[in-house]
Amino acid sequence: KQEVTQIPAALSVPEGENLVLNCSFTDSAIYNLQWFRQDPGKGLTSLLLIQSSQREQTSGRLNASLDKSSGRSTLYIAASQPGDSATYLCAVSGAGRRALTFGSGTRLQVQP
Amino acid sequence: EAQVTQNPRYLITVTGKKLTVTCSQNMNHEYMSWYRQDPGLGLRQIYYSMNVEVTDKGDVPEGYKVSRKEKRNFPLILESPSPNQTSLYFCASRRRTGETGSGYTFGSGTRLTVV
Repeated sequence: KQEVTQIPAALSVPEGENLVLNCSFTDSAIYNLQWFRQDPGKGLTSLLLIQSSQREQTSGRLNASLDKSSGRSTLYIAASQPGDSATYLCAVSGAGRRALTFGSGTRLQVQP
Repeated sequence: EAQVTQNPRYLITVTGKKLTVTCSQNMNHEYMSWYRQDPGLGLRQIYYSMNVEVTDKGDVPEGYKVSRKEKRNFPLILESPSPNQTSLYFCASRRRTGETGSGYTFGSGTRLTVV
């Protein structure tokens, strides 16, 4: 059964820092991987989608990489801002595409 | 605007009183799914539907029912809610496998409290 782990569980940084969030998964037979952002008590906003054949995707200050063979993905946030404060969730879609398996998230706080 | 719409956003109910949480998407997506989110347990899939009239159990289906009579709608039914179903519920949809951009779109969530 697929397991997804996110490290660190929580992170507090001063505004302006570049930071990296890590995601690892146990079964490399994935279809794609998706990064989401969740504000407290709110819904999930999709940030980036990486297909299994891709190595990275970029959107603005966000860059996500995927190393399928080693079961790892990283989300890089450049020049962090207080508005980036949220929980970031990594989710993988298995080859059968019946469900997303989520990590437990990284809670990010960016201090002004 | 392309979106997944859930209603209601908040619901407080009593044990045993049947309720339905609605979910509708306007993107013509084939696949729809329900998740619940609980502290310490993360997001877990309840049911999913690969297309109209095709539904299947996820990881935590006990106490829930679903139906998919139309492509755009996927209601979640709790026939006899219990306090352990107090949770934050999310509906999600995506395009068919192989289509460009087949990532998931999530609704805003329904916070259910069963007393």
